[in-house]
Parts: sequence; C-alpha cells; structure tokens
Amino acid sequence: TQLLEQSPQFLSIQEGENLTVYCNSSSVFSSLQWYRQEPGEGPVLLVTVVTGGEVKKLKRLTFQFGDARKDSSLHITAAQPGDTGLYLCAGANNAGNMLTFGGGTRLMVKP
Amino acid sequence: ETGVTQTPRHLVMGMTNKKSLKCEQHLGHNAMYWYKQSAKKPLELMFVYSLEERVENNSVPSRFSPECPNSSHLFLHLHTLQPEDSALYLCASSQDRTVGTGELFFGEGSRLTVL
Repeated sequence: TQLLEQSPQFLSIQEGENLTVYCNSSSVFSSLQWYRQEPGEGPVLLVTVVTGGEVKKLKRLTFQFGDARKDSSLHITAAQPGDTGLYLCAGANNAGNMLTFGGGTRLMVKP
Repeated sequence: ETGVTQTPRHLVMGMTNKKSLKCEQHLGHNAMYWYKQSAKKPLELMFVYSLEERVENNSVPSRFSPECPNSSHLFLHLHTLQPEDSALYLCASSQDRTVGTGELFFGEGSRLTVL
C-alpha cells in the first residue's frame, strides 16, 4: 500500500509570510498532483508534476517533485488570505490509474 | 462550478433509514468516482466506474451500494449506516482512468450525518 504523509497538518500564518508544505512517501509515484480544497467545496487541481526533480511555478506557488519521485513540496511566497484552504497531495501508481491522497495540510492565512 | 453536481449537500439520517446520494457530471467524462472524506483520515477511494462499469471497489461495506445508470450519473445508495459513516462524500469525474496525468473534477460533496 502506498502512503503519503503531509506536514505540517496545520499551519496558521500572517499575510505576507512564506511557507512550505511537504508530502513524503517511501513509495515511488509515476506522477504527483497537488489539490486545494476551500471550505464547502471539493478539491481543485493546482498542478501535476511528472519528472523527478521537476519544478513548476503557478504565480506565487512553487511545486517541486523529488529526484526519486517519492516526495514533493509546495512553497507559497507572500501568502494571502485567499490561499487559505486544505492542500492535498496525491501520488499516482505506475499505471497512472489510481491516486493515493495524503492527509492534507490545513492552511490559514490571517489578514 | 466544476461541472460536477452533487445532491443533497447535507443529509441527516438514522441508522435504519435508506437514502441515496446523487452525482451528475456535465463534462462528457468517462470515469466517475466516490470518495469518503473524514476528519482524521486521508481521502479514501470507495468506488470507480469507467464507461458505466464498476472497476474498483475498495473493500467498502455492503451498506454502501453504488449505481451508475449512464456515464453522466452516479448514485450512492445508503442503508443501515453506522455513526462512523458520518463524513463528507465526494463525487469526482475524469476524462478517462489515466488520472495520474489527467485531472479529477470534484463536486462540492454531500455532508452525511448518521445519528
């Protein structure tokens, strides 16, 4: 069974601060996705990383896939209240037809 | 608006009731999913349907019974549930089964409380 551990589980910061959340596993994934879930909504895909060592940027968000494709990080620069939500990572199996989700990092950005 | 609509948004039921959750996707996708989201557990995959055929059933108790009458609609029939089944039930769809490089589109969820 592939497991994904996310840390921290909870994070409360002030607007303008930087933060990094982590997604770690002992298993290798063919790809890794990050989703954000806002209160009362379903998760929404932010990014997919496929290649070991890959870095993708989405405005103030930077996503990295570990060289061994076992871990990933999400860095947010100058966080804003609109970044508040639950961040979920999800790793895909070799066939690419099954996602395993991490437990999530709940982020609150205070104005 | 993700193109995936779930009803009802909230449901309270007793342990002896029978109810159903409904999901409809307007995206022309071929795969649909039921996930369970509990407070202290990762998102759990319950069922997967691809082209109306059930392809995954992750050891879900028989008190949960899925139904996929066509590629746009998915139901989750509930009967004799337990309080520990209280959770947010999320429906999702994807173009096909290659979700690793594709995308899951989630509905807003049905918040279920079992008394």
